[in-house]
Amino acid sequence: DIQMTQSPSSLSASVGDRVTITCRASQPISGYLNWYQQKPGRVPNLLIFAASTLHSGVPSRFSGSESGTDFTLTISSLQPEDFATYYCQQSYDVPYTFGQGTKLEIK
Amino acid sequence: QVQLQESGPGPVKPSQTLSLTCTVSGGSISTTCCYLNWIRQPAGKGLEWIGRIYADGSANYNPSLKGRVAISVDTSKNQFSLKLDSVTAADTAVYYCANAARSGTYSYFHQWGPGTLVTVSS
Repeated sequence: DIQMTQSPSSLSASVGDRVTITCRASQPISGYLNWYQQKPGRVPNLLIFAASTLHSGVPSRFSGSESGTDFTLTISSLQPEDFATYYCQQSYDVPYTFGQGTKLEIK
Repeated sequence: QVQLQESGPGPVKPSQTLSLTCTVSGGSISTTCCYLNWIRQPAGKGLEWIGRIYADGSANYNPSLKGRVAISVDTSKNQFSLKLDSVTAADTAVYYCANAARSGTYSYFHQWGPGTLVTVSS
C-alpha cells in the first residue's frame, strides 16, 4: 500500500494568515493526489485534484503543488470558513489511501 | 444533480455481518464513467477507503479488511451495496458511499452520501 504522511497533524492560525499543509507519499504517485476539506459533522469536500487543479467553485486562495513525492496545500489568506480538517488522498493505485488529516484551528 | 444515500438496518452485533446499500438518484449507475466507492470514518479519526465497484461488477477491496468485505451492484435498482463480515467494535464508524469522477487519467471522490453511523455493539 502507498502510505500518505501528512504534517502537521494540527495547526493554529489566525484569519489572514498564509498556511501550508504537507503530504508525503511513500513512493512516486505522479501527481495523483487529491485534497479534501471536512468540517465537523459534514461530508468531505474536494478542493484540489491532480495535485494542483482547483475543483470547480473552490476559492482561488487554495492552491496545490508537487515536488517529487511531496505535496503541498496552501491557503494564501485564511478565512473564518477555512477552519476545518484537511486530508490528502492518493488515487495512483488501489487501495486508495488518505493522510491522517490536519486539523486547522483558530489561534 | 446526482445524489447518493446510504441506508442500512442499524446497529450490528459483534461477529455478525454489516450490510449497507447506497441508492443513486439523478443519474444512472449503468452509464457512469467511474467507480462507486465505500469509505468509512471512525468517530474523531481519519478516512479509510473500503473498496470500489464498477457498473459491470468488477471490484477492488482494501486488503486491510482481510477478505471480510464484498461490494455488489444492482443496476436495475441504481444501487450498490456493502457487506462486511465478522464485525468487531473496531468497525464502528460513519460509512460513506461516494462516486468517483475523472479528469483525464486523474480520478477523485466527487459526490458523497451524507454518511450513516454503524455501531457494533452487543
